[in-house]
Amino acid sequence: EVQLLESGGGLLQPGGSLRLSCAASGFTFSSYAMSWVRQAPGKGLEWVSTISGSGGRTDYVDSVKGRFTISRDNSKTTLYLQMNSLRAEDTAVYFCAKVNGDWGQGTLVTVSS
Amino acid sequence: DIQMTQSPSSLSASVGDRVTMTCRASQAISNYLAWFQQKPGKAPKPLIYAASYLQSGVPSKFSGSGSGTDFTLTISSLQPEDFATYYCQQYNSYPWTFGQGTKVDIK
Repeated sequence: EVQLLESGGGLLQPGGSLRLSCAASGFTFSSYAMSWVRQAPGKGLEWVSTISGSGGRTDYVDSVKGRFTISRDNSKTTLYLQMNSLRAEDTAVYFCAKVNGDWGQGTLVTVSS
Repeated sequence: DIQMTQSPSSLSASVGDRVTMTCRASQAISNYLAWFQQKPGKAPKPLIYAASYLQSGVPSKFSGSGSGTDFTLTISSLQPEDFATYYCQQYNSYPWTFGQGTKVDIK
């Protein structure tokens, strides 16, 4: 059974940093591209970033380029999202997802002064 | 960026109804389209990938079709557990983009 478990969310002030983690199990992690998708309160879904299975290719939505970094540790079957210079508009539930596959349950990030 | 437009934004239907919703891309995306179902407070559930292929475990009452710019998701016989919001997503080119969603509620 595929399991994706996000962690690392929380409340922080604008300008702060946070690292999200997504622990994966139940599939050959290194064979799959992985994504982060977010959902602001009461809003729709927004793709944030995708990383290839090897980690050699990464892509980002323009609004987070230069501030967020996606990475993965295939030996630990874990996906990460390093979030810097956080803004109020980054407030959302962040989901990790196997591309064309399962999603985690999400972790809430709240950016507020 | 490719814009995805879903219609209608919401619809009311009865149990047993056949329901169809559409997703239109602002430019051709071949068949690089996925559909998701989301219930309140829950993570999105993948339903369909490559426009018409059911994800493992998804019941056959769901079907998808289309290619290029116009796509549809059909639920053949609506059941109580199908009342939810449905999103399409293109993954033809970055940035990947979602439609705004179609909310299906009870008539």
